[in-house]
Amino acid sequence: EIVMTQSPATLSVSPGERATLSCRASQSVSNNLAWFQHKPGQAPRLLVYGASIRASGIPARFSGSGSGTEFTLTISSLQSEDFAVYYCQQYNDWTFGQGTKVEAK
Amino acid sequence: QVQLVESGGGVVQPGRSLRLSCQASGFQLSTFGMHWVRQAPGKGVEWVATIWFDGTNIYYADSVKGRFTISKDNSKNTLYLQMNSLRAEDSAVYFCAREGYGGPFDFWGQGTQVTVSS
Repeated sequence: EIVMTQSPATLSVSPGERATLSCRASQSVSNNLAWFQHKPGQAPRLLVYGASIRASGIPARFSGSGSGTEFTLTISSLQSEDFAVYYCQQYNDWTFGQGTKVEAK
Repeated sequence: QVQLVESGGGVVQPGRSLRLSCQASGFQLSTFGMHWVRQAPGKGVEWVATIWFDGTNIYYADSVKGRFTISKDNSKNTLYLQMNSLRAEDSAVYFCAREGYGGPFDFWGQGTQVTVSS
């Protein structure tokens, strides 16, 4: 099983600031990596797939990068609606990271 | 637009059964692979089961193999998860998710809560 490790567990950010989230795979997943945003009581929302392709309707402030085992999700200028938990997922055999909670500083 | 709505969750005693449903709209189940995923309180997200678009391949997480069965009814455009021999550790919010082109889970439902407790 491919283990996905996200860091940090919690990220405290002020609106307008840049947020950088990391995800590491225990073995190469090529670019089969997705990022999701999840708010309580809502359906998780696909943000990025193929490591760097923004999903339909996702604002340009969200960007993904990386390949192999190291990946990054960047929110260039955090908006109030971006406070949520973010998960990475590799879809070779469907394992998820433990999540990064982005909270208000 | 694409929508997934789960139902069937509830409180059940250990050892009993429960069947979850996922009503799909805005697309045909016959053309997409589907997954069940769960999240236990305070825990991470765990993939549970997968059924290919044509039903020819089905996979389960080791933690549920032999107890859970994923199936679908294309005529009703509904995905199911039959859960037998439930354990306390199966308590979680269960989500259904569509597998988009290339593999990412592109649409999810809001989830249904399953609590296994005596």
